[in-house]
Amino acid sequence: DTEVTQTPKHLVMGMTNKKSLKCEQHMGHRAMYWYKQKAKKPPELMFVYSYEKLSINESVPSRFSPECPNSSLLNLHLHALQPEDSALYLCASSQEALAGRDEQFFGPGTRLTVL
Amino acid sequence: GENVEQHPSTLSVQEGDSAVIKCTYSDSASNYFPWYKQELGKRPQLIIDIRSNVGEKKDQRIAVTLNKTAKHFSLHITETQPEDSAVYFCAAYTSGSRLTFGEGTQLTVNP
Repeated sequence: DTEVTQTPKHLVMGMTNKKSLKCEQHMGHRAMYWYKQKAKKPPELMFVYSYEKLSINESVPSRFSPECPNSSLLNLHLHALQPEDSALYLCASSQEALAGRDEQFFGPGTRLTVL
Repeated sequence: GENVEQHPSTLSVQEGDSAVIKCTYSDSASNYFPWYKQELGKRPQLIIDIRSNVGEKKDQRIAVTLNKTAKHFSLHITETQPEDSAVYFCAAYTSGSRLTFGEGTQLTVNP
């Protein structure tokens, strides 16, 4: 299995809702990432997990809360989002983090709309 | 931190022509340079990458060159086809596993 999967594909939520995005990989990768991508822009790094521990938080607002329950799963919990948080949220994984030489495999993304 | 600049932002070519996209980076410690293709509504997909100990790499119609001294790298696509139309992102790996992306190039191949 050489894929990263994400659910849901689309999500519409109000500013008071709580929702979660899920990501899964079964490639034995030890690094997992969350990116945010706005239209016509490159992916923007949010979080990096290495061996299930948060290693990088790119000063993301606390209304985004990541969680890595095990080496194959990565969640992003959402609460009290703003309309400007509407974007494509991409999960990625790579063999190792902090090595700076491994291909990152991207999931298909969750298209999030905040009303 | 690392800064990656990518040019041009849009590129339109006729089917069968070549396309070249150029990127420069600022961190001389960067050692891995992937190129991603992203079709509309799809995920970014790695199409080719190059490491700092190599000057050129080719995979069928796609090639990448790296000039470490000048800190620039380029993507070359020959014999372009309509299905090559997409946004292409260059990237450079900096310390701590961050991938820094260029702003992207919208490539359109006209039949």
